Amino acid sequence: GEDVEQSLFLSVREGDSSVINCTYTDSSSTYLYWYKQEPGAGLQLLTYIFSNMDMKQDQRLTVLLNKKDKHLSLRIADTQTGDSAIYFCPNVGGPVGFYNNNDMRFGAGTRLTVKP
Amino acid sequence: DGGITQSPKYLFRKEGQNVTLSCEQNLNHDAMYWYRQDPGQGLRLIYYSQIVNDFQKGDIAEGYSVSREKKESFPLTVTSAQKNPTAFYLCASSIPGLGQPQHFGDGTRLSIL
Repeated sequence: GEDVEQSLFLSVREGDSSVINCTYTDSSSTYLYWYKQEPGAGLQLLTYIFSNMDMKQDQRLTVLLNKKDKHLSLRIADTQTGDSAIYFCPNVGGPVGFYNNNDMRFGAGTRLTVKP
Repeated sequence: DGGITQSPKYLFRKEGQNVTLSCEQNLNHDAMYWYRQDPGQGLRLIYYSQIVNDFQKGDIAEGYSVSREKKESFPLTVTSAQKNPTAFYLCASSIPGLGQPQHFGDGTRLSIL
C-alpha cells in the first residue's frame, strides 16, 4: 500500500488559500518535502521542513508539521492559476547504512486546480 | 546551470523493440533513480543506483534494464519484455544520505506505435 495519504483533488478560486494535507508513515528522515509537478514536466522541489520544526514559512507557502500525528500540510496563500499542478509529499525513509538508501515513496499526489 | 537532462522528451516504441531513455546529470550526485508514472498513480521506482557500477531493482524492475558506467549517466532500457511500457518516465538524482532531496529531470513520455 501507499506510504503517504493525500486527497487526490483540490479545487480553489484564484486568490483563495489552498491547504494540501498529507499523512505519512515513516518519520526517520531529517527533512520532509513538498514537490510540485506541472503538466508534462518533472517534479520540482518546492519546499521542505526540518523534522524538528512545527512550521516553516516561505513567501506564500506555509508548511505545518505535526510529527506526533505524522501529518504534514502545505498552505498556499493567494493561490494563482500558476499554482495549478500536482503536489507530492513523499514518505522519506530507508535503511541507514554507509550507502544510504534515500528511499522516497510518492503517492498519487494532490491535483490542485485553480479557477479564475 | 546544474541539473538533470532526460532525452528524448517523447519516444515511440514498436512491437518487439528495445528502447533506451537517456538521463544525464551534472550535479555530481552519487545516487540516481528511475521512476515510472502512470495517470492517477504515484511514482513507482524501477531501478536505483547509489554508486557507479552498482544498481538495485526497485518495485517494478521487470522488463527494464539499466547501467551505471559513469557517475553522470544512468540510461534506462525498456525491453520488449515490458508489455505495457506506455508511461511517463522520470529520472532523479541525489547525494547520499537519509532524507537528502531528489532532483528530477523533465521526463520522457514513451508511447507504443
